[in-house]
Amino acid sequence: DSGVTQTPKHLITATGQRVTLRCSPRSGDLSVYWYQQSLDQGLQFLIQYYNGEERAKGNILERFSAQQFPDLHSELNLSSLELGDSALYFCASTQGAGGYNSPLHFGNGTRLTVT
Amino acid sequence: QKEVEQDPGPLSVPEGAIVSLNCTYSNSAFQYFMWYRQYSRKGPELLMYTYSSGNKEDGRFTAQVDKSSKYISLFIRDSQPSDSATYLCAMSASDTDKLIFGTGTRLQVFP
Repeated sequence: DSGVTQTPKHLITATGQRVTLRCSPRSGDLSVYWYQQSLDQGLQFLIQYYNGEERAKGNILERFSAQQFPDLHSELNLSSLELGDSALYFCASTQGAGGYNSPLHFGNGTRLTVT
Repeated sequence: QKEVEQDPGPLSVPEGAIVSLNCTYSNSAFQYFMWYRQYSRKGPELLMYTYSSGNKEDGRFTAQVDKSSKYISLFIRDSQPSDSATYLCAMSASDTDKLIFGTGTRLQVFP
């Protein structure tokens, strides 16, 4: 068990809807990363937060937004959903702001299906 | 062309075989290289981490980096059914830069 908790495990919704994915990082970790995993694109970095502040941005669509709260949990909001947004969404956490001497600890993901 | 290319497999081998998993990349600035293992319905977990070129060994696992060829490999000796998973390579240009992942190779080790 990585210590990173993601909810819900599965989400099925319709096109045009809005959903919120939640992540609780490992105890003591200050950084939260969000990744999207699809069969053809692999793991795509979306965004990173460190201690409540946005740290780095990847291929995140304007329809998507995220935040990290004072208790360090994070939420990823996906709106105006399209069929192509169906994917696994992973949250990962690390203790520091970055640096790969400290490995990413991944949660077990939220599987989003848009119908 | 993707920055990181990885054969999706599946790669099916008998127990005890030596497995070779590979990735090629196009960005010569990459110098941090990682291998993650992902079991079905789980998140990826870090297996190996190497910096720049050379080999690194950890138990049955050996990671190799050939920067001149832009090619990295993960070798698994004496493969076990419990090694059945998807293996993702990942790399970055600096230790604070974002990780670029391959699409993963699915490995099946049968008894």
